[in-house]
Amino acid sequence: DAGITQSPRHKVTETGTPVTLRCHQTENHRYMYWYRQDPGHGLRLIHYSYGVKDTDKGEVSDGYSVSRSKTEDFLLTLESATSSQTSVYFCAISDGAGTFFGPGTRLTVL
Amino acid sequence: LAKTTQPISMDSYEGQEVNITCSHNNIATNDYITWYQQFPSQGPRFIIQGYKTKVTNEVASLFIPADRKSSTLSLPRVSLSDTAVYYCLVRAAGNKLTFGGGTRVLVKP
Repeated sequence: DAGITQSPRHKVTETGTPVTLRCHQTENHRYMYWYRQDPGHGLRLIHYSYGVKDTDKGEVSDGYSVSRSKTEDFLLTLESATSSQTSVYFCAISDGAGTFFGPGTRLTVL
Repeated sequence: LAKTTQPISMDSYEGQEVNITCSHNNIATNDYITWYQQFPSQGPRFIIQGYKTKVTNEVASLFIPADRKSSTLSLPRVSLSDTAVYYCLVRAAGNKLTFGGGTRVLVKP
């Protein structure tokens, strides 16, 4: 499997608290993505990055921000978590040909 | 962005061939078509990617007609372990990857 990890793997937090999820890659791929997946649904793109400090919004970016200060790390921040952001979050990396997904982070906002 | 449309679900039996067709009517000239497989509680896994005609690898074949407005993923001789959700994606310029709803394939014994 591609060298992609996500941390934490599980998190429970309370409404209104800030949360940061980390995606780390060892493949030096240019593109990185954050998706969320809710039960019984497909993946929805939150934000993506096409290089260091270069990011763009996806389909469901409201309430989320991202940062990519170096190639290997892509951070997703929920400034003030809400219950509607309870979901499984997947990070993905791509070199423009193949795309590889991380194991996911299960976030519960109480 | 090219929007994709797939059947919501399909049932099959072990040993049969499963064909899933994806429509992408407004695919752009430089776009590629990629298929992923996802099991519960796991991230999607790359299956196959193509641009035109036919692509085959060890797990699947991808058929793309000349107009490229659709594509068909073919899974030969499926087994119970092929029960999963299959997603068709169009890799647009800028590599902004947007998933459709996917096709839930159930393989029965």
